[in-house]
Amino acid sequence: GAGVSQSPSNKVTEKGKDVELRCDPISGHTALYWYRQSLGQGLEFLIYFQGNSAPDKSGLPSDRFSAERTGGSVSTLTIQRTQQEDSAVYLCASSSQEETQYFGPGTRLLVL
Amino acid sequence: AQSVSQHNHHVILSEAASLELGCNYSYGGTVNLFWYVQYPGQHLQLLLKYFSGDPLVKGIKGFEAEFIKSKFSFNLRKPSVQWSDTAEYFCAVRTVSARQLTFGSGTQLTVLP
Repeated sequence: GAGVSQSPSNKVTEKGKDVELRCDPISGHTALYWYRQSLGQGLEFLIYFQGNSAPDKSGLPSDRFSAERTGGSVSTLTIQRTQQEDSAVYLCASSSQEETQYFGPGTRLLVL
Repeated sequence: AQSVSQHNHHVILSEAASLELGCNYSYGGTVNLFWYVQYPGQHLQLLLKYFSGDPLVKGIKGFEAEFIKSKFSFNLRKPSVQWSDTAEYFCAVRTVSARQLTFGSGTQLTVLP
């Protein structure tokens, strides 16, 4: 596709439920990033995938958060036992060797 | 760890006014620098970037930024803003050792018609 796509665009869930957020990067981009944008914390890095290397998980806020990238393309961010403080916009970005990151439209998550 | 400071949280200008948004970072090594813009209801878009070479970089829509290494700054400028420039602007830094971007807190620009 022409750009990074994310689904769903909006997600409302109840506290304690698990959610899965999906990211389709730009075709051919080897690197994929997840960020979180929230009112109190701004834009924060969560996790980074590069090719077949082990992901950099240094930004994940707790062990309730995990992500995988299948076949070097699509990625899924999973949040288990969601809490109200998980409410945010979750952004995905991808980049090629040139390393400029291009962002998707985000998934707006609301935990009630 | 590196950090990025954007001094202005909200800037209000009239059309045709000149714009300068400040961005300072804390990191002593080599950096790549970016300005992203988020228009209302839209996703983050790249305005311009600096990797190396000429410290004055030009981006889309008439924006430019100057990298001043001695001041650890990468300020964004536009000589004459338009109503359509109303958006939130984010400065970001990437170091050689870390691939992820570290963002500033953002500056909301409102341009009055």
